Amino acid sequence: GNSVTQMEGPVTLSEEAFLTINCTYTATGYPSLFWYVQYPGEGLQLLLKATKADDKGSNKGFEATYRKETTSFHLEKGSVQVSDSAVYFCALRDSNYQLIWGAGTKLIIKP
Amino acid sequence: ETGVTQTPRHLVMGMTNKKSLKCEQHLGHNAMYWYKQSAKKPLELMFVYNFKEQTENNSVPSRFSPECPNSSHLFLHLHTLQPEDSALYLCASSSKTGLGNSPLHFGNGTRLTVT
Repeated sequence: GNSVTQMEGPVTLSEEAFLTINCTYTATGYPSLFWYVQYPGEGLQLLLKATKADDKGSNKGFEATYRKETTSFHLEKGSVQVSDSAVYFCALRDSNYQLIWGAGTKLIIKP
Repeated sequence: ETGVTQTPRHLVMGMTNKKSLKCEQHLGHNAMYWYKQSAKKPLELMFVYNFKEQTENNSVPSRFSPECPNSSHLFLHLHTLQPEDSALYLCASSSKTGLGNSPLHFGNGTRLTVT
């Protein structure tokens, strides 16, 4: 079946460090891919998305490229801030329009 | 303000109690969802409503009973819960299910503790 695998957290970085959170997926067809973010005490909110191979989603300095050859959608940011501390969820929408979620990766940024 | 409001934010209940979670969206969306979020597990979809009709029930135990009186309101009625039901319950809405890539808009959740 379809699935999403994220790197286990927590990921702890210093402010201004480079961030990568890995996400790989298994799916038939051509899923759409998403990153959602959950700040402490809040619900999830869409961070970025990509709907076809080689698309790059970007928002708030975060980027992720849809790589069909490696079935990956890694999240990157060049210089993280303390305010980026949150839990990040990778997800795919499959051909049946079902959303499949990763387990989430907690990111901790230290000043 | 997320556009999706959930109440209460926190709820502690005994296993014999009956309580309800409420969700309201002000975004004009037609689809509403209940999710369960437990630590270190992927989000679990519980129920989906589209235009007030339940379109999905992911084998959720009958001690959880959803109600969707209109497209703006969604309830989750709880009775005789178990301690393992303790979790964050998230409500979400979207402009439509099934078609396109309309994103989900989440509320801030209800933190439920069953004692």
